[in-house]
Formats: sequence, C-alpha cells, structure tokens
Amino acid sequence: DVKVTQSSRYLVKRTGEKVFLECVQDMDHENMFWYRQDPGLGLRLIYFSYDVKMKEKGDIPEGYSVSREKKERFSLILESASTNQTSMYLCATWTDPSYEQYFGPGTRLTVT
Amino acid sequence: GESVGLHLPTLSVQEGDNSIINCAYSNSASDYFIWYKQESGKGPQFIIDIRSNMDKRQGQRVTVLLNKTVKHLSLQIAATQPGDSAVYFCAENIGLLKLTFGQGTILTVHP
Repeated sequence: DVKVTQSSRYLVKRTGEKVFLECVQDMDHENMFWYRQDPGLGLRLIYFSYDVKMKEKGDIPEGYSVSREKKERFSLILESASTNQTSMYLCATWTDPSYEQYFGPGTRLTVT
Repeated sequence: GESVGLHLPTLSVQEGDNSIINCAYSNSASDYFIWYKQESGKGPQFIIDIRSNMDKRQGQRVTVLLNKTVKHLSLQIAATQPGDSAVYFCAENIGLLKLTFGQGTILTVHP
C-alpha cells in the first residue's frame, strides 16, 4: 500500500512565523501535490511537483513556496504565516498510468 | 449536487438502503473522473474512477454513472453501512496533472 505521511496532524503558529509542512511518500511516485481544504471551498491546489527540484504553481500559490530536494519528500513553506492561511493542508502523490491520487492524513494548521 | 457557500449537501439513509450521491462537473473536456471518500480527521480515499469513454463502471458495492450530455456524475452505494458515513466528493481531470474537486456531500447512515 502507498503510504503518504505528513509531519504534523495539528499545528498552531503565530502570525509572521515561517512554517514548514513536510510530506513523505514511500512508493517512488514522481508527482506530488499540496492542497488546502476549507469548508465550502473544497480542495484547492497550491503547488505540485512532477520531479525532483521541479515545481509548478497550482491555483492558489500566493503566500506559499515549496521544496523538493528528494523524490520522496515535498515540503510546503509559509514564508510569513497569516491568519487566512488557517486551514487543513493535504499532501498527495500520483504516478502514471493511474490517475489515482493518494492522500496523506492532513495537517490542520491554525495561525493566531 | 455540489454545494454553494458553506453548507454541504447532506444525505441521510438507513442501513441497508442504497445511496445515490450526485455531482455536476464543469469542464466538458475532462476525460477522467474520480470519487473520493473522506472520513472525519482523515485524508481523502479513492473509491472508484471512470474515463470519459465509459458510461458506467462498477466496483465492490459501488457504481459510478457518467452522463456527458448534462455533465453529471453519480455514485451509487449498494446496501449502505454505517461505516460508509463520510463526506463524498467527485474530482475531474482537467489535464496537466490537475484535478478539480467538488465540495462534497455528507452521507450519514443510520443503524
């Protein structure tokens, strides 16, 4: 079974702090994604990566950056956390030829 | 169908009944669709998928129907069980590794 793990289930940070969310997968998948999930808005794509050191902006990249130094690890960075970044953050992986995305358990981030 | 605003559609059924959850998608060029189940406190879990060249696909206790004419997708769950209680949402592939997700429907199964 594919396993996608995220570094924290719950995180509380202060406005202005730099925040790192880590995602690790164990199935050698090329593609990795970061989403945020908010009530009434569904899942929205922040960034994705199709290879090591490669990244592409999703639909809502503002205020975020990513890092993929190794194939199994994809990090989401909030350079200066703001209260409107309070959300559930979900990491996912995907490999061809299946279109199935495998999700991690999520990190619920609260910015105060 | 999908929700507008903060309130998700809800569906309440009795254990053993069949459930039908609906989804309207937006892009007529989408070529692949997925249904996900998300239980409280967990990440979404793949249930079943269907390609645009199909009208119907069956899995274990689940069936997905695709009507491209009206851009409508449905998920049928047979003999619904309490463990099926969750949020269900559809996703469509709009190309370039991107999926667009619906907001979801809350399914509650009463014993």
